[in-house]
Amino acid sequence: NAGVTQTPKFQVLKTGQSMTLQCAQDMNHNSMYWYRQDPGMGLRLIYYSASEGTTDKGEVPNGYNVSRLNKREFSLRLESAAPSQTSVYFCASSVAGAIEQYFGPGTRLTVT
Amino acid sequence: GDSVTQMEGPVTLSEEAFLTINCTYTATGYPSLFWYVQYPGEGLQLLLKATKADDKGSNKGFEATYRKETTSFHLEKGSVQVSDSAVYFCALREGGGSNYKLTFGKGTLLTVNP
Repeated sequence: NAGVTQTPKFQVLKTGQSMTLQCAQDMNHNSMYWYRQDPGMGLRLIYYSASEGTTDKGEVPNGYNVSRLNKREFSLRLESAAPSQTSVYFCASSVAGAIEQYFGPGTRLTVT
Repeated sequence: GDSVTQMEGPVTLSEEAFLTINCTYTATGYPSLFWYVQYPGEGLQLLLKATKADDKGSNKGFEATYRKETTSFHLEKGSVQVSDSAVYFCALREGGGSNYKLTFGKGTLLTVNP
């Protein structure tokens, strides 16, 4: 039981490049989330998926797109990376109706 | 909108010292309140929670009481250990249905020295 896994762990991009961050959970959770963590800012919600087939914007969605591929997987795509997207990205999941969110180990992204 | 304000760090303590990390919130309804902990190099983990006024959450020696009258949820521990060194996040949740969006504070870095 791996919980929430994220790939890659580290990534360096040049401005304008694109990439997809992958997230998968094996806990049969309905809801999944993408956050970014910046120094002094805490965690901010980018997008979430309440259940398979649905996605909604969070607090800071600009510059990102998401896909809920199936119940297990929720990917985050940067179409044209910008230095302002340098951050640590966390994926999380929760059972529908539950209180606790389970977090992955994070992806550290640097955009130069 | 909802917001969470927690004391700015960093906080540096000696082993066995008493810990308090203050957290206050603004919400339109009656939120659930949480403390999450992030150990170095890891994702966040739920430390404790409280879902209604006067509830006390506790775990691993940490405690926090949901105070509606002061809109606070301060984290306390009587005797900290070096292994408690981490970043602590206060968070709240409003909303229902099948999705639960969390609003986080900015985090407080705690360092415990031997």
